Amino acid sequence: SQTIHQWPATLVQPVGSPLSLECTVEGTSNPNLYWYRQAAGRGLQLLFYSVGIGQISSEVPQNLSASRPQDRQFILSSKKLLLSDSGFYLCAQRRGSDTQYFGPGTRLTVL
Amino acid sequence: GEDVEQSLFLSVREGDSSVINCTYTDSSSTYLYWYKQEPGAGLQLLTYIFSNMDMKQDQRLTVLLNKKDKHLSLRIADTQTGDSAIYFCAESSDSGYSTLTFGKGTMLLVSP
Repeated sequence: SQTIHQWPATLVQPVGSPLSLECTVEGTSNPNLYWYRQAAGRGLQLLFYSVGIGQISSEVPQNLSASRPQDRQFILSSKKLLLSDSGFYLCAQRRGSDTQYFGPGTRLTVL
Repeated sequence: GEDVEQSLFLSVREGDSSVINCTYTDSSSTYLYWYKQEPGAGLQLLTYIFSNMDMKQDQRLTVLLNKKDKHLSLRIADTQTGDSAIYFCAESSDSGYSTLTFGKGTMLLVSP
């Protein structure tokens, strides 16, 4: 079966500190992977998607970056966090015909 | 651009039917989706409908699609307290990479 892991589950970071969130998937190869952010009281905003190793597309210019160092690993990073980066970060994987399945998410609080 | 709109809140009594509505703007959407999010959790795919279908039923869930009006609804029959959650409507974009556009979510509160 296919499983999506996200690490860490929760994170509290000071403004200006770096960030690294990890998403790994099991049970598949060459998946399309996606990073979304869910800010309080808002829907999901697509941040990045990747169709393969080293291939990243950015949907919204911002303080974040993404990398795909391995086939089943997708990393979300920042060099210096802002207060506005707080939110719930969700990794998703495409399966079948245009269907996305989500990981458990990482709750990030920037103080 | 693409836009998906949902009402923000719905309150029903246990045992009643719930109907959550959604409107979208992208007429080229291939699939439309309903996701459920419980507090502190990721999104769970409930069901989806292909754009050339009018209706899809899956146990207590019924999805209706009016493509002319770009209106999607999710009906939950015999709503239970465990159905309390945020429900997101989403449409697939025409980007070729299966990116989805989500509504802001409808919070469903089921009271005993």
